[in-house]
Amino acid sequence: KAGVTQTPRYLIKTRGQQVTLSCSPISGHRSVSWYQQTPGQGLQFLFEYFSETQRNKGNFPGRFSGRQFSNSRSEMNVSTLELGDSALYLCASSPREGTVQYFGPGTRLTVT
Amino acid sequence: AQRVTQPEKLLSVFKGAPVELKCNYSYSGSPELFWYVQYSRQRLQLLLRHISRESIKGFTADLNKGETSFHLKKPFAQEEDSAMYYCALSGNAGGTSYGKLTFGQGTILTVHP
Repeated sequence: KAGVTQTPRYLIKTRGQQVTLSCSPISGHRSVSWYQQTPGQGLQFLFEYFSETQRNKGNFPGRFSGRQFSNSRSEMNVSTLELGDSALYLCASSPREGTVQYFGPGTRLTVT
Repeated sequence: AQRVTQPEKLLSVFKGAPVELKCNYSYSGSPELFWYVQYSRQRLQLLLRHISRESIKGFTADLNKGETSFHLKKPFAQEEDSAMYYCALSGNAGGTSYGKLTFGQGTILTVHP
């Protein structure tokens, strides 16, 4: 089976803009989680979706949002970008809630 | 609140030496613990989960609820073990884990020839 894929792999945006990142889970996986990875804060949980419903949300401002489609693909959106949003954004999928998570390669977002 | 602590940012050993990567956690319920590994230029991948109680690539980890620890051990380190290792925790209630992983800060393991 193909692994988790994320697009785009690299992105450069300017402060104040918004960005949408995409994640395609492993075929048959219905749960998708998102994480932010930075050198200072490490890996931090953003949110989790299962069957198009947000099940869990991390401690991030409302500028960070996401959604999941009926085919389990997921997108996350960050509005009004700040310099501190520069990070590697990781998506992980699992067959169902709470099972082992398989990670994608990440999207490297740079905000200038 | 759930928290995972990996006290060592860097750990260096020589090939053939034993290695132990420490992980302590804080969680009020019944946790599920994992070790994830990230080799150079590769994605994060699962190494071990405590429920399966298996040995992967010679690594083992035992959940010690009394000491709230889940240390990763290998008796004889190999150069190919050099990587970043993350300990992670997931909440577990009623036998179903939740999809939120709380990660430690990670330990960079370097195995010298």
